Amino acid sequence: AQTVTQSQPEMSVQEAETVTLSCTYDTSESDYYLFWYKQPPSRQMILVIRQEAYKQQNATENRFSVNFQKAAKSFSLKISDSQLGDAAMYFCAYGGGGGADGLTFGKGTHLIIQP
Amino acid sequence: GAGVSQTPSNKVTEKGKYVELRCDPISGHTALYWYRQSLGQGPEFLIYFQGTGAADDSGLPNDRFFAVRPEGSVSTLKIQRTERGDSAVYLCASSRYREETQYFGPGTRLLVL
Repeated sequence: AQTVTQSQPEMSVQEAETVTLSCTYDTSESDYYLFWYKQPPSRQMILVIRQEAYKQQNATENRFSVNFQKAAKSFSLKISDSQLGDAAMYFCAYGGGGGADGLTFGKGTHLIIQP
Repeated sequence: GAGVSQTPSNKVTEKGKYVELRCDPISGHTALYWYRQSLGQGPEFLIYFQGTGAADDSGLPNDRFFAVRPEGSVSTLKIQRTERGDSAVYLCASSRYREETQYFGPGTRLLVL
C-alpha cells in the first residue's frame, strides 16, 4: 500500500519570506501523480499544485513550486513571498498508481504566517 | 453549480441513529469520491464511483457504511447505527475522469453524541 509522510506537524514563517514543506511517499509504481492541497479553517480542500510522475520538470503555480525527486520519493512544496492568506493546513497526496482508487494523504503540516 | 456542494454542513446525531450525507458534484464530472477526515489527520479514502457504480469501496470501514449514486450525479453516504467513533468531517470530491484532479466540497461535520 502507498504511504505518504509529512514530517513537519507545524511550520512558521515570516510574511514575505520563503518556506518549504516536506513530503515523502512510498510506492512501487512508476506511473502516478502527486498533489499539494491547502485546507484553511473553512475545511475546503483547495488544490495548490499537481505533479505527474513521468514529468521531469517541477510544477510551478505562481508563488508555489515543487521539488520532485522521483528516485528519492520526495515531493516538497516551496512557497515564496509568503502571505497571510497562505496560513492553513497543507496536505501532500498521492494518487494513480496501485492500491485504492482514491488519494492517499499525509497527516498535514500546519503553516503559520507571522506578520 | 460552480463547485462541489455538500449538505448538511453540520450534523449532530445520537449514537445508534441513521444519517445520510449528500454530495452534489461538479456538473459533468463522472468520478466521485468520499473521504473521512478525523481530527488532526489527513482525509482517508472511503469509496469511489465511476458513473453510477461503486468502482472501489475498499475504504469503507464496515457494513454500517453504504453509498449510492443512482443517476451518476448526486451521491448519498449512509451510515447506520452510528457510533461515537464515526464523528469526523466527511469530504466529497469529484473529477472529470478517474485520474484527473479531484475537486473537494466543503465537507459535512458529523458529531455523534
